Amino acid sequence: QSALTQPASVSGSPGQSITISCSGTSSDVGGYDHVSWYQHHPDKAPKLIIYDVTTRPSGVSNRFSGSKSGNTASLTISGLQAEDEADYYCYSYTSSYTYVFGSGTEVTVL
Amino acid sequence: QVHLVESGGGVVQPGKSLTLSCAASGFTFSSNPIHWVRQAPGKGLEWMAVISSNGRNADYADSVKGRFTISRDNSKNMVYVQMNTLRGDDTAVYYCAREGHYSRDSWGFLDYWGQGTLVTVSS
Repeated sequence: QSALTQPASVSGSPGQSITISCSGTSSDVGGYDHVSWYQHHPDKAPKLIIYDVTTRPSGVSNRFSGSKSGNTASLTISGLQAEDEADYYCYSYTSSYTYVFGSGTEVTVL
Repeated sequence: QVHLVESGGGVVQPGKSLTLSCAASGFTFSSNPIHWVRQAPGKGLEWMAVISSNGRNADYADSVKGRFTISRDNSKNMVYVQMNTLRGDDTAVYYCAREGHYSRDSWGFLDYWGQGTLVTVSS
């Protein structure tokens, strides 16, 4: 149950778009559409921002979007804002009836 | 409003046991699986365990299988995780989270989280 692979850090200037990748295998990301993304600010509870690969929960900004191609899922944040600075994690169901998080990506707004 | 509150954290010696609780409110508790997730200091989120809505099935991460046991009491809207043979690398903030289940094909994501409870394993 190794963590899904994410870049350790991604940065961008305000207004720019960034994309975070989440690489897995055909036994997790590639095999199911049960991929979700979470935003985590320090000392707060993680927040669901994308589920079912592409769906945004009610109340989540439309600047967040998700996609998947093969064994890799991606989260794009467009129109980057200072408040987007946080850690981001992907999450996937696996063929072992378990779940796995990505290694996490620290987003910095320059 | 959905609300999850963890309790039971604290300092425990290596090799000892501890039970965490998760109190849920604001939804039909018996309709949703509940997960436990932890975050060690300076590390990322780690999925630990899930229990089905009726409590009959549970699955665990390899890192805790055989040492941790998840259970639930639907009459009390409570979920528990009994942690045995604790080790230093079990030191973490532990979160309970509700699994969203919006349709037959829409599930497996964590739509509501508690604020977490800190467990420190140290002599």
